Order: sequence, then structure tokens, then C-alpha cells
Amino acid sequence: GQQVMQIPQYQHVQEGEDFTTYCNSSTTLSNIQWYKQRPGGHPVFLIQLVKSGEVKKQKRLTFQFGEAKKNSSLHITATQTTDVGTYFCAVDNYGQNFVFGPGTRLSVLP
Amino acid sequence: NAGVMQNPRHLVRRRGQEARLRCSPMKGHSHVYWYRQLPEEGLKFMVYLQKENIIDESGMPKERFSAEFPKEGPSILRIQQVVRGDSAAYFCASSPTRSTEAFFGQGTRLTVV
Repeated sequence: GQQVMQIPQYQHVQEGEDFTTYCNSSTTLSNIQWYKQRPGGHPVFLIQLVKSGEVKKQKRLTFQFGEAKKNSSLHITATQTTDVGTYFCAVDNYGQNFVFGPGTRLSVLP
Repeated sequence: NAGVMQNPRHLVRRRGQEARLRCSPMKGHSHVYWYRQLPEEGLKFMVYLQKENIIDESGMPKERFSAEFPKEGPSILRIQQVVRGDSAAYFCASSPTRSTEAFFGQGTRLTVV
């Protein structure tokens, strides 16, 4: 079955530092989505990537889809305390459902 | 346009009772997904439904769990004879088509005592 890994599992950063989380799949993907879940909250959609090598930016967030469409990354520049939460990738491998990665939990120290 | 509505937000059941979790998707959305999340863990896919049809239930336990999405009314996730291990947050998400962004509800926190 579809295997999705995310690294790191946890990341502690000082406010103002950068942060990157990586999502890796065992198979080629048709697309990938990223979600953010605040502590005690529900997942909120951030972005969807479809094309090989695609790069999308949302303010301080940069999303990238690998050339082989098997991996993706989310980079946050100059983290703020509002960035705290768990970041999940979700993959659709031409199958019937979206499989979520285990998530990267980000804490930002003020 | 109201978001995905889940109720109840919190549900307490004694072992052996039944739990019914409701999910009203966003208006115009015919695709519904149910996920389960244990504390400090990720989202585990349970079932994917599209109006009156179960498309994929590969994540559902074979016994005690069932889901439906009738033509009229909310999607229901039903857990019969609950056990302590069923305690978790259950999230529902909806989307207008497959492979597009999913909008999540606030979840139902089920506690089995």
C-alpha cells in the first residue's frame, strides 16, 4: 500500500528561524496537498501541487513538488509563533483516497 | 456558506453503547471522507463516500464500524458496542470533486468510559 513519510517528526525553532518539513512517498504521485492543524484544532488546507518541479509561494511559505513527483517540501521563512502546529502532507496516488503523512509538529519559541 | 458541520463536538459513551457521529458537508460537496486521530498522532483514513455510495472503506475496521451518506441528510459514522480503544477524535472532510482540497469539520471527540 501507499507509504508516506514525513521528516522530521518534531521541530523546535526559535522565532525568526526558518523551518522545513519533507514529505516522501514510495510511489509516484498525481498530486500532493499540504494541511496545517493547530493544537486542538482541525486540519486546514494550505495548498495543492500537481506539476513536476512545481514551486508555489504563500507569503512566508514555499511549497515544492519534486521532479519525480515522489516528494515534496514545505519551507517557512522567519517563523512566527502563529506558525505553531502540525503540518501534514496528503497524497493521492491515483487511488481511491487521500493518505495523510504522520505530520511534522512545529513549536516556535518566542 | 457554512463550513463542514460535525456534531456532536464531544461525545461520551460507556463501553458497549453505540456512538453516532454526524457530518454535514459543505453545500455543493458530494464527496465525504472520515478520518480518525489519536492524541499526538496523524490522521488515519477510514472511509470515503460519495452520495449514497461507499467508494473506499479500506480504513474501516471490519466489525462494529459502518458509514453512510444518504441522498438526504448528513453522513453518519456509526460505531456499535464501543470499546475504550475507540476513544479518539473523528474528523469528517468534504470536497466538491475528488482530488481537490478537502474542507474539514471541527471533529467529534469521542470518549469511551
